[in-house]
Amino acid sequence: AQKVTQAQTEISVVEKEDVTLDCVYETRDTTYYLFWYKQPPSGELVFLIRRNSFDEQNEISGRYSWNFQKSTSSFNFTITASQVVDSAVYFCALSEAWGSNYQLIWGAGTKLIIKP
Amino acid sequence: DGGITQSPKYLFRKEGQNVTLSCEQNLNHDAMYWYRQDPGQGLRLIYYSQIVNDFQKGDIAEGYSVSREKKESFPLTVTSAQKNPTAFYLCASSIGLAGRTDTQYFGPGTRLTVL
Repeated sequence: AQKVTQAQTEISVVEKEDVTLDCVYETRDTTYYLFWYKQPPSGELVFLIRRNSFDEQNEISGRYSWNFQKSTSSFNFTITASQVVDSAVYFCALSEAWGSNYQLIWGAGTKLIIKP
Repeated sequence: DGGITQSPKYLFRKEGQNVTLSCEQNLNHDAMYWYRQDPGQGLRLIYYSQIVNDFQKGDIAEGYSVSREKKESFPLTVTSAQKNPTAFYLCASSIGLAGRTDTQYFGPGTRLTVL
């Protein structure tokens, strides 16, 4: 069965530290997509990145970077020089095929606390 | 500005009452979704709709109903049959092309509390 595991329930770091959020997935599909979303205290989920299984290049966007490794079924997210505004719950998700349609399988989320 | 709106932001319901949560999008997306989130948990899919006048049950559809009469709107009714409805409800939409995985974009959510 397809599954997403975010083993870190909560991480707390001091501002300006680097922090990595882990995401491990299981799937039998050869073509799949992985996502990261941010949920700040306001509650709305904010899309961060979508990556397909054929693209193993790491991605960097400002202070955010993502490391996709098919060999270990992981799609980890690193925030460099963290800021208080990065405090949120972060979700990793995996696409799953439902017939001709696709749905998302969600991890339980990692709560990130950045202390000033 | 294009986006997804949900109303109300907070909703209080007495036991035994049905309530309807609104979700509207002006992104011209075909697909819409309803999720439930409990404290400290991930998202669970309640219903989704890939096209107007069609919708499918998700993992936890019991006690909920939806309609999709317009492309822009996907209201969710929480019925009295839902045993534990207190939760945060999120609506999402995506372009909705069948056979591919689209990015889902979310509204701000409705927090429902049963008194």
